[in-house]
Amino acid sequence: QQQVRQSPQSLTVWEGETAILNCSYEDSTFDYFPWYHQFPGESPALLIAIRPVSNKKEDGRFTIFFNKREKKFSLHIADSQPGDSATYFCAAEAGGSNAKLTFGKGTKLSVKS
Amino acid sequence: NSKVIQTPRYLVKGQGQKAKMRCIPEKGHPVVFWYQQNKNNEFKFLINFQNQEVLQQIDMTEKRFSAECPSNSPCSLEIQSSEAGDSALYLCASSARDRSSYEQYFGPGTRLTVL
Repeated sequence: QQQVRQSPQSLTVWEGETAILNCSYEDSTFDYFPWYHQFPGESPALLIAIRPVSNKKEDGRFTIFFNKREKKFSLHIADSQPGDSATYFCAAEAGGSNAKLTFGKGTKLSVKS
Repeated sequence: NSKVIQTPRYLVKGQGQKAKMRCIPEKGHPVVFWYQQNKNNEFKFLINFQNQEVLQQIDMTEKRFSAECPSNSPCSLEIQSSEAGDSALYLCASSARDRSSYEQYFGPGTRLTVL
């Protein structure tokens, strides 16, 4: 049973545009939502994360928007650069004794110049 | 940048052979996770430890998978009798797990190929 749904599967944007990646979840006990990016041949690297006490988290060009009522969260990449081309994974964790991450299936982002 | 160390980076085994991989968590991180990422980029949580104790693990029904995190030694994940379907990237992550930090940082992974 997939508990974290991610869309789109692939996304192409032009350099300078804002890329928007979306995720939704079902489990109300999830309380930590990170985004990772993964370049070919590498392991996932933590990009940015949010806890539900906030509905927005910014770090440079990367912003997470979180909607607890609708159980949705998204990653916005502003001023996209070709170097941002990678696969992005959203994830969720319930915390406490249930600390494992549940990942979405990934969005392959291509930024064209 | 993650300071989790995983060895070996690549592992090639024949079917039925043992496959063992190791992980040294980031200093000061008491919690260690193992995940499997298959060729379709799907992640599967395997097991996690806090210090030397198992916190959670999947139902390794065939018992081919075993893991441990002994004191003062690297953590390890071992597949007793490798199968073709075990070919994947095995990722170790560590976390401080304090009040303000749930972050999990991944090592470079061990890519297992079972021939």
